[in-house]
Amino acid sequence: AQTVTQSQPEMSVQEAETVTLSCTYDTSESDYYLFWYKQPPSRQMILVIRQEAYKQQNATENRFSVNFQKAAKSFSLKISDSQLGDAAMYFCALRGGGSEKLVFGKGTKLTVNP
Amino acid sequence: AAGVIQSPRHLIKEKRETATLKCYPIPRHDTVYWYQQGPGQDPQFLISFYEKMQSDKGSIPDRFSAQQFSDYHSELNMSSLELGDSALYFCASSPSPRLEQYFGPGTRLTVT
Repeated sequence: AQTVTQSQPEMSVQEAETVTLSCTYDTSESDYYLFWYKQPPSRQMILVIRQEAYKQQNATENRFSVNFQKAAKSFSLKISDSQLGDAAMYFCALRGGGSEKLVFGKGTKLTVNP
Repeated sequence: AAGVIQSPRHLIKEKRETATLKCYPIPRHDTVYWYQQGPGQDPQFLISFYEKMQSDKGSIPDRFSAQQFSDYHSELNMSSLELGDSALYFCASSPSPRLEQYFGPGTRLTVT
């Protein structure tokens, strides 16, 4: 079975500051993919960043970067220069190489304070 | 850029009625996925189709069925609706080699 755990139900950050959201996962597969999705109040699910397990280099997309620690099964998201528009629920998700489905964590609600 | 289209966006049904949700994937995406997100919950995978064939199945109730058509759009059919079926239903699509899933805006189903 694949599981994803987000231990921080809520986080807050000051505008322009940096925040890190935590995620741990468990899978028996050697080939898998990890994702962070953002869900703003509109409820739209927006892909933020993707990491392939076989890649050692951490993925980066503009102000968003990940810290992928494969041995520890940890996949945290760092948001730099936080903006008001970053306020949303953030879901960490795992897809095993042999499966189509995304397995999501319970989410972290991020508040950005002006 | 074109996005996944879902219709209707909102649907209100009574218990024991049926509902059909439609999904139009991003052009040239050949895989469609369905997810259910209950209030305050994370999305749960229901089913997926690749090239019109079911490719994976999750916790989809027997009362639900789905298919993908020749133009790659997909429909989720839900029968004998229950109050617990009230949720946001997402469709997502993916191009080969199916690394990323792009979500539609969702259909909010309310069962009264």
